[in-house]
Amino acid sequence: QVQLQQSGPGLVRPSQTLSLTCVISGDSVSSNSAAWNWIRQSPSRGLEWLGWAYFRTQWYKDYGTSVSSRVIINLDTYKNQFSLQLKSVTPEDTAVYYCARTRGHGGDYYSYGVDVWGPGTTVTVSS
Amino acid sequence: QSVLTQPPSVSGAPGQRVTISCTGSSSNIGAGYAVHWYQQLPGAAPKLLIYGDTNRPSGVPDRFSGSKSGTSASLAITGLQAEDEADYFCQSYDRGLIGLTVFGGGTKLTIL
Repeated sequence: QVQLQQSGPGLVRPSQTLSLTCVISGDSVSSNSAAWNWIRQSPSRGLEWLGWAYFRTQWYKDYGTSVSSRVIINLDTYKNQFSLQLKSVTPEDTAVYYCARTRGHGGDYYSYGVDVWGPGTTVTVSS
Repeated sequence: QSVLTQPPSVSGAPGQRVTISCTGSSSNIGAGYAVHWYQQLPGAAPKLLIYGDTNRPSGVPDRFSGSKSGTSASLAITGLQAEDEADYFCQSYDRGLIGLTVFGGGTKLTIL
């Protein structure tokens, strides 16, 4: 059974960098049948996809347009985990942040949905 | 404003059938991208309910079904039960400037 365990601070100061980590058990971050996502949810913005990363002979990363200039997703094959860095945060970045897996097959990451979610981390941006 | 449009709320009595719509455009659902549906109970992460327009993951009751036509998709729930009261979200992909994975704004299902 695949499980995702999240860690990171619940409070971040404005203009600082938000950093979260997601440890994977039961799957591999370098699997060629999974993509690893960061998704956030807030009352004002709903569910918002921040980006994903996946491995298909090389690493690929895509980011959501609304955060693409501020976000980086990194992967650590030794620790079997992936992380989110969101720079220059403002109170608008206050949300519950989820790490999640999209199942893939044969290079198709669009047909199977987000089948595993982390428990979520509530992040507040405030001074 | 979400890329995919859902009604804010629907309701139904136990045993009844309800449908939740998800309306997109030619750059997402209408482009042929798959639609997925999620159920979110209070305080919990979303749970995959339907994937690839019509498929149910193992363990999801067959009371839940999905369909798609043109630029829209629908989730149908038959034989409503009290435990179905939750938020439901649709998700697809967009080849425009929005940023690949897009979600609906969510629909609150209330069991009367």
